[in-house]
Amino acid sequence: SQTIHQWPATLVQPVGSPLSLECTVEGTSNPNLYWYRQAAGRGLQLLFYSVGIGQISSEVPQNLSASRPQDRQFILSSKKLLLSDSGFYLCAWKSGEQPQHFGDGTRLSIL
Amino acid sequence: DAKTTQPTSMDCAEGRAANLPCNHSTISGNEYVYWYRQIHSQGPQYIIHGLKNNETNEMASLIITEDRKSSTLILPHATLRDTAVYYCIVTSWGAQKLVFGQGTRLTINP
Repeated sequence: SQTIHQWPATLVQPVGSPLSLECTVEGTSNPNLYWYRQAAGRGLQLLFYSVGIGQISSEVPQNLSASRPQDRQFILSSKKLLLSDSGFYLCAWKSGEQPQHFGDGTRLSIL
Repeated sequence: DAKTTQPTSMDCAEGRAANLPCNHSTISGNEYVYWYRQIHSQGPQYIIHGLKNNETNEMASLIITEDRKSSTLILPHATLRDTAVYYCIVTSWGAQKLVFGQGTRLTINP
């Protein structure tokens, strides 16, 4: 069966520091991969998605970037974090006719 | 994607059926109805989806009206662990983006 892993589960970072969140999927090949963000008290917002290695589509302009160095690995990065980058970051995958499935998320707090 | 309207909150007694409504009056012919739920501090969990026929799986049943303008998610025997925010999402099959609204906060009471 397919599984998705995100880490870390929680992260506290100072303003201006870099960020790297990693997501990996097991048990499937060539999945579509997604990064969403959920700000406090708000709905999920799609940030990036990828349909293949090296292919990244950005949904909203922001301080973040995404990369897909391997088929089942999706990384969310920032060179300098802002206070507004705080939130709950969720990775998701989709393959073939299956619906999107989400990981357990990373709760990021910026101080 | 079509907009959905859900009640902000609902309560249900443990062991009873929980019926969560969703209005999607602007749904177009190629759009599906998806339901997800999010338990506090976890990622959204897929529940069920359908196009026009009623659907049932091990978690829930989905009833879609004949005109497809509304649907109801049914949890047949609610437990305390079903307390969560439930999201109704309408989107076409190949769409990359799931648009999450505010959902319905369902509380199961003992």
